[in-house]
Amino acid sequence: AQSVTQLDSHVSVSEGTPVLLRCNYSSSYSPSLFWYVQHPNKGLQLLLKYTSAATLVKGINGFEAEFKKSETSFHLTKPSAHMSDAAEYFCVVSGSRGYNKLIFGAGTRLAVHP
Amino acid sequence: KAGVTQTPRYLIKTRGQQVTLSCSPISGHRSVSWYQQTPGQGLQFLFEYFSETQRNKGNFPGRFSGRQFSNSRSEMNVSTLELGDSALYLCASSSAGTGTYEQYFGPGTRLTVT
Repeated sequence: AQSVTQLDSHVSVSEGTPVLLRCNYSSSYSPSLFWYVQHPNKGLQLLLKYTSAATLVKGINGFEAEFKKSETSFHLTKPSAHMSDAAEYFCVVSGSRGYNKLIFGAGTRLAVHP
Repeated sequence: KAGVTQTPRYLIKTRGQQVTLSCSPISGHRSVSWYQQTPGQGLQFLFEYFSETQRNKGNFPGRFSGRQFSNSRSEMNVSTLELGDSALYLCASSSAGTGTYEQYFGPGTRLTVT
């Protein structure tokens, strides 16, 4: 079965410092992996996706993630945090090959301090 | 292109009642998936419809049902509402039927059961 584990429920950074949100996955086949962001009282927005092409994936708003099969990880990074990055971030794996079923991690709440 | 729209945005119902939520996907998208988001359980997959057929179902009781129309619009219905059904219900649409494609989420319907 497919699953994802987000290793931190809360991450706090200062504006201008790097962001690292950690995610490990479990999959019985080559997975499709995604990161979504949810701002308060808003829907989910896709940041980036990995679908077995390049292992380093670039997304919107300066975010990127690296797929590491040997470590079963898909960590999200950003070189410099902005106040507007404060939100909840979800690591997601495609839950069923050939179907649009997403399995979400528990989420990481990112706080950005001035 | 207009995004995914969901109506209504907010709903208050009483225990035992039933409710119908509506989702209009992005134009041209044939897949619609539904998710429930609660503080305790996080984001959980309810079901997916593709070309008017339910292709995948999550672990929810039979009180949760859905359908898709020929124009790809979808509705989900919850009968005999329970307090625990209070949640944000999110709908997502995708242009294709496989899990490697992006899913775009609507803003959600906030259901409160009293």
